[in-house]
Amino acid sequence: DTGVSQDPRHKITKRGQNVTFRCDPISEHNRLYWYRQTLGQGPEFLTYFQNEAQLEKSRLLSDRFSAERPKGSFSTLEIQRTEQGDSAMYLCASSLGEKQSYYGYTFGSGTRLTVV
Amino acid sequence: SQQGEEDPQALSIQEGENATMNCSYKTSINNLQWYRQNSGRGLVHLILIRSNEREKHSGRLRVTLDTSKKSSSLLITASRAADTASYFCATVEVDSWGKLQFGAGTQVVVTP
Repeated sequence: DTGVSQDPRHKITKRGQNVTFRCDPISEHNRLYWYRQTLGQGPEFLTYFQNEAQLEKSRLLSDRFSAERPKGSFSTLEIQRTEQGDSAMYLCASSLGEKQSYYGYTFGSGTRLTVV
Repeated sequence: SQQGEEDPQALSIQEGENATMNCSYKTSINNLQWYRQNSGRGLVHLILIRSNEREKHSGRLRVTLDTSKKSSSLLITASRAADTASYFCATVEVDSWGKLQFGAGTQVVVTP
């Protein structure tokens, strides 16, 4: 297992179209996270899974966004009816995690979304 | 909203010099982490320092944490051109499940 994989690396879509991104975490990691990053800013938290359960979802995530992690393995992030403001780098990360135990995250290379 | 603020926003140094960047945060934390990001790539975890630690070293990296001032610093010694990247601090609030909250980062350019 060489790390966190994200697909695709780049996506250009027309406004109003739906897009779906995939993340394959490190297999031993029970936690998976999605972040969004715009130019010149730090990553902003979107959502978090512990195994297959989605335990927190940011207020940044409108109803157009949905994420899943079936069977606690890979995850998908779907954006419906894309808007130009959705243009950003979408980062996936994974880590081990237990209550009150904290570890660094391993990030994927990201999916850069451009909405035209 | 972002928890940490890095200072400076940008730093330009020559190879061999030391680079120091600072991070301030607002809440009580369990730990603070530093990450590096090369242009257009994902973030790489550098070091984690817990709230009961004051200093930590990893290779050419030295991190300090002052919880009374809610601040941390990252020192890169004997910098190399390959250290050119953006550096982010991120905090985990006390009693949280472990969510990382990032600052806006410091962009470091190391010229040969």
